[in-house]
Amino acid sequence: DGGITQSPKYLFRKEGQNVTLSCEQNLNHDAMYWYRQDPGQGLRLIYYSQIVNDFQKGDIAEGYSVSREKKESFPLTVTSAQKNPTAFYLCASSTGQSSGNTIYFGEGSWLTVV
Amino acid sequence: AQSVTQLDSQVPVFEEAPVELRCNYSSSVSVYLFWYVQYPNQGLQLLLKYLSGSTLVKGINGFEAEFNKSQTSFHLRKPSVHISDTAEYFCAVTLYSSASKIIFGSGTRLSIRP
Repeated sequence: DGGITQSPKYLFRKEGQNVTLSCEQNLNHDAMYWYRQDPGQGLRLIYYSQIVNDFQKGDIAEGYSVSREKKESFPLTVTSAQKNPTAFYLCASSTGQSSGNTIYFGEGSWLTVV
Repeated sequence: AQSVTQLDSQVPVFEEAPVELRCNYSSSVSVYLFWYVQYPNQGLQLLLKYLSGSTLVKGINGFEAEFNKSQTSFHLRKPSVHISDTAEYFCAVTLYSSASKIIFGSGTRLSIRP
């Protein structure tokens, strides 16, 4: 089935550690996105990529890094510089060719700092 | 700057009652409008979208929404809700000019009472 796969579903991080969340899509979409979701705050854009080897910062990029070496993959690294990383992280993709196109979401990853 | 306001953070209703979830947006340029649903611990999935044409849009699971340009609103309605509609609902807009600029509201939690 076509879709977006995020892994792991649950992840625990110690203070000072970097962790990487995986996102893979087989929808042949050009654009991919990472959002952070906190209770009562909706979704906030961390990074997005409209094409391979290119990406832009979203509204809350500090403390995060991404890469886009392959069209189907857009991993997110939560670095130790991110002071409050505990949240639900959502990866998404779209064809990117029109702003009216639907965005498709993965199932999300829970990150907890212990 | 563009913004999306969901006026109610929580909406409790009884099963088989009608419901309306309110969404207002602010934008100086033309936008496309979306409603997404998120079930617990899952990603978001598209309920419906307005791109052009008829201002009344029908979506999945019996939901519909009406675009009102003069009031800059895109309220979501269902004439009779079911327990399975319990979820969080997000209104979102994208700009005609930018596929990557997707703005989400803060969400409305719909809880259905038997």
